[in-house]
Amino acid sequence: GDSVTQMEGPVTLSEEAFLTINCTYTATGYPSLFWYVQYPGEGLQLLLKATKADDKGSNKGFEATYRKETTSFHLEKGSVQVSDSAVYFCALGTGGGNKLTFGTGTQLKVEL
Amino acid sequence: SQTIHQWPATLVQPVGSPLSLECTVEGTSNPNLYWYRQAAGRGLQLLFYSVGIGQISSEVPQNLSASRPQDRQFILSSKKLLLSDSGFYLCACDDRDTGELFFGEGSRLTVL
Repeated sequence: GDSVTQMEGPVTLSEEAFLTINCTYTATGYPSLFWYVQYPGEGLQLLLKATKADDKGSNKGFEATYRKETTSFHLEKGSVQVSDSAVYFCALGTGGGNKLTFGTGTQLKVEL
Repeated sequence: SQTIHQWPATLVQPVGSPLSLECTVEGTSNPNLYWYRQAAGRGLQLLFYSVGIGQISSEVPQNLSASRPQDRQFILSSKKLLLSDSGFYLCACDDRDTGELFFGEGSRLTVL
């Protein structure tokens, strides 16, 4: 079945550091890929997405490229801020009712 | 865009007591609706999804049930709560065209 594997956290960075959160997937067919963000005490919000191979999703300085050859969708940001502290979830969807399969989430802590 | 309301936001219940969490959706009609659970330190687990009134699919065997009495209303219930039912419950609906999921703010359940 479909699955998503994320790097375990927490990831602790200093402000303005470079961020990478790894995500790899296993899926039948051609999934869409998503990154969601969960700020403390809140629900999840879509951060970015990519629907086909080589697409790059971007939002709020975050980027992720859909790599079919490595089945990956790593999240990157060039300079993180304290306000980026949150839990980040990688997810894939293969249609059929739009059920998404989520990774376990990676907690990011950004310190001054 | 879609807006999802969940209540109550926080709930503390004794073992063996009943549960009812409610979710309503605005800004869309005939949505696919989902209940996810996020247990402490773990990822998101899909519990139920619904493609229409009275149509419920269960993803995992458990102590919980779901109902959809109206197009934009989704209810999560239990007759007798277990300690293992503690967690953060998220209601979601999707955009059928893009596959994006929109989440409510969540309901935190603690079973003592």
